[in-house]
Amino acid sequence: NFMLTQPLSVSESPGKTVTISCTRTSGNIASNYVQWYQQRPGSSFTTVIYEDNRRPSGVSDRFSGSIDRSSNSASLSISGLKTEDEAVYYCQSYDSSTDWVFGGGTKLTVL
Amino acid sequence: EVQLVESGGGLVQPGGSLRLSCVASGFTFSNHNINWVRQAPGKGLEWISYINFKSTTIYYADSVKGRFTISRDNAKNSVYLQMSSLGVEDTAIYYCGRDSGIVGVDYWGQGTLVTVSS
Repeated sequence: NFMLTQPLSVSESPGKTVTISCTRTSGNIASNYVQWYQQRPGSSFTTVIYEDNRRPSGVSDRFSGSIDRSSNSASLSISGLKTEDEAVYYCQSYDSSTDWVFGGGTKLTVL
Repeated sequence: EVQLVESGGGLVQPGGSLRLSCVASGFTFSNHNINWVRQAPGKGLEWISYINFKSTTIYYADSVKGRFTISRDNAKNSVYLQMSSLGVEDTAIYYCGRDSGIVGVDYWGQGTLVTVSS
């Protein structure tokens, strides 16, 4: 089985762009889709990216996802940062229908 | 607007049972698969169960297999999670989530807290 490794925290200034990485420890990152979930403080989850790079309706186009085969990682980029983007972001992939793998989460601070 | 609303959480003693409900609106519920995902306090996420739109395919994580039962009633736009033989390790916020179609969630409920404690 594999794990998804995320940085514990990242910080950036309003208006800037931040990128959060999600590295797959074994196997090919491109083999299974990656999703990204946002959890604002005290709140539930919002899916911001699914199937590597697709945005659900209603999610700002400031959010984008990508896959890098060379580093075996997925990335979530948020441009034009706003204070409302402060949240914990989780990546998720899977090994099978019953084997979901979540990253440990990255706390984004916008300061 | 897609909405999923969980209920049924609460405090239960070890070894006890609890039934969670998830009521959906804003989409054609009978066309969509549903997952349950939980988050222990201060911890990460754990997928625990899945039911397809016709209830013909059901999956469980090993951690809950044999203790939890997922079901749905399409006439009531509802999914249920019957939990039994609960242990302290089951303490978590339980979220229902509409399946994205590719082993993920596209819409989440607000969650319901289950606390297992004596």
